[in-house]
Amino acid sequence: IAGITQAPTSQILAAGRRMTLRCTQDMRHNAMYWYRQDLGLGLRLIHYSNTAGTTGKGEVPDGYSVSRANTDDFPLTLASAVPSQTSVYFCASSDSRSGANVLTFGAGSRLTVL
Amino acid sequence: GQNIDQPTEMTATEGAIVQINCTYQTSGFNGLFWYQQHAGEAPTFLSYNVLDGLEEKGRFSSFLSRSKGYSYLLLKELQMKDSASYLCAVRDSNYQLIWGAGTKLIIKP
Repeated sequence: IAGITQAPTSQILAAGRRMTLRCTQDMRHNAMYWYRQDLGLGLRLIHYSNTAGTTGKGEVPDGYSVSRANTDDFPLTLASAVPSQTSVYFCASSDSRSGANVLTFGAGSRLTVL
Repeated sequence: GQNIDQPTEMTATEGAIVQINCTYQTSGFNGLFWYQQHAGEAPTFLSYNVLDGLEEKGRFSSFLSRSKGYSYLLLKELQMKDSASYLCAVRDSNYQLIWGAGTKLIIKP
């Protein structure tokens, strides 16, 4: 693993189903983030974690949950998927203690909810 | 509210120079970022400005004026591989990143 790995790459899901998007990083970054990207809109923060064991809500948290049991993993769960959650989801990480706090992104997970 | 504005799409010619503008209105300012995103791929970091002025990095330069709430990304000697979306993002007073919708740059031969 080099950087951030997301899985699955793409998924088609029936409405009402539960889905977990996986994210793993090997850079020992303390902070991790989940964004969604929709056409014509900027990246929107769903949830974030500044350190293992803590999480926070972003701009669009409803319908999503996260956990941060350790430094490397930050899964995103949709408890009961709805069509409006059709989007491309990006996981990112950063060393938030550094000056610039540059984000490194995973390759994304394309989710379609029917 | 907080807002980042950048053009939706721009077209330029291979070998030429293009300037992509970004204006912002945010609650405080703690740095401005430019990311490049090729279609179907992840955003990748290009530049970071926290003080006024020009930051040069090879063919790419980024300029910031905090008093005007304005930045631009300058791409020189354009290559076909520069066809991508360019995302402007500002870190506000709460250290949250506010993202623009991105500028899709099309390079023609």
